[in-house]
Amino acid sequence: AQTVTQSQPEMSVQEAETVTLSCTYDTSESDYYLFWYKQPPSRQMILVIRQEAYKQQNATENRFSVNFQKAAKSFSLKISDSQLGDAAMYFCAYRRWGLDRDDKIIFGKGTRLHILP
Amino acid sequence: ETGVTQTPRHLVMGMTNKKSLKCEQHLGHNAMYWYKQSAKKPLELMFVYNFKEQTENNSVPSRFSPECPNSSHLFLHLHTLQPEDSALYLCASSQDSTSRPANVLTFGAGSRLTVL
Repeated sequence: AQTVTQSQPEMSVQEAETVTLSCTYDTSESDYYLFWYKQPPSRQMILVIRQEAYKQQNATENRFSVNFQKAAKSFSLKISDSQLGDAAMYFCAYRRWGLDRDDKIIFGKGTRLHILP
Repeated sequence: ETGVTQTPRHLVMGMTNKKSLKCEQHLGHNAMYWYKQSAKKPLELMFVYNFKEQTENNSVPSRFSPECPNSSHLFLHLHTLQPEDSALYLCASSQDSTSRPANVLTFGAGSRLTVL
């Protein structure tokens, strides 16, 4: 069965600094998607960034980028120039690519990120 | 309104009450989901509806009863709940497709449920 592990329950970073959140996953599939979702205090989960496993190039979205290591099954999120609005719970997630309607997204337990002014 | 809307935002109920959570999506998506979010636990998928048909029931107790009257609305009917059912219940939707890119979930803000 697929699993997603986030080993850092909480992290803190100084405003304007860079922070990296770790995520590892376990799967026997070769084609899948990985996601980072953000859940701020408002509770609404928002997609931060997405990576297709068949693409070697790491995804980037403005200040957010990932380090995708397929062989190591590692998918870390780097936030550059951290801002107070980045304070949130961050969830790493996995979804197998396939034609099966029952495919579901598997989430990690999350990492709470604090931004220090 | 746009996106995924959940009501109520907060709900307190006794163990013998019957209540319902409502979710509405304005995105034209064809799949809707209920997730349970408890402290220090991963998000738990409860129910999935694709094209109004239930395709997933993740061994959820029968005191939770979903209803999907159309592709825009999803309900979670609650009755005789237990205190351990207290959690944040998140609704999500996606446009399920067999073509890339992957179906991305759009979440609502959740309904915080407290069972006394």
